[in-house]
Amino acid sequence: AQSVTQLGSHVSVSEGALVLLRCNYSSSVPPYLFWYVQYPNQGLQLLLKYTSAATLVKGINGFEAEFKKSETSFHLTKPSAHMSDAAEYFCAVSASSWGKLQFGAGTQVVVTP
Amino acid sequence: ETGVTQTPRHLVMGMTNKKSLKCEQHLGHNAMYWYKQSAKKPLELMFVYNFKEQTENNSVPSRFSPECPNSSHLFLHLHTLQPEDSALYLCASSQEASRVNTEAFFGQGTRLTVV
Repeated sequence: AQSVTQLGSHVSVSEGALVLLRCNYSSSVPPYLFWYVQYPNQGLQLLLKYTSAATLVKGINGFEAEFKKSETSFHLTKPSAHMSDAAEYFCAVSASSWGKLQFGAGTQVVVTP
Repeated sequence: ETGVTQTPRHLVMGMTNKKSLKCEQHLGHNAMYWYKQSAKKPLELMFVYNFKEQTENNSVPSRFSPECPNSSHLFLHLHTLQPEDSALYLCASSQEASRVNTEAFFGQGTRLTVV
């Protein structure tokens, strides 16, 4: 079985401040992990993915995430928030033989001036 | 042209209507998925098709009927829906459903309102 937990359904950050979104996973086999972003009235867009190569993964729009096996975490960060980062962010895990993505509940990010 | 295209973008239907959602992918993928996204609930996987064969039905009510005539097209036929079925329906595709390390590509979704 596999699952993800995203801590915090809403996060508010100031423009220019660090963005930190938390994701913890549960998997009985080595997982593949993904972060997606969803802008209003849009589908999900892949930000980055971890597929057992480097533990620090860089994605689009300045985001990166670090896979920490000991902590079963895959937190997403961005050093400096932009207004355009306001969106909902989803962590997902894929570890089953059928590659189904299991999504977290999502974290809504609000960026304040 | 985007990789995964869904039509219509918005749909309002009565509980006695029959309508269909359409999804088309231009990525050469062999797996396609339907997800339901309701307010304040996690994304729910509804159906999985791999090489045109349905491989998963996550206990979805029979008022939702999927169809996958080929690897590029996926439909979701709707009939006698309930107001609680109002949601954003997302289509996605990936190379193959059995590949755990490949991401899914999503369409923009169909916003469905059942009145």
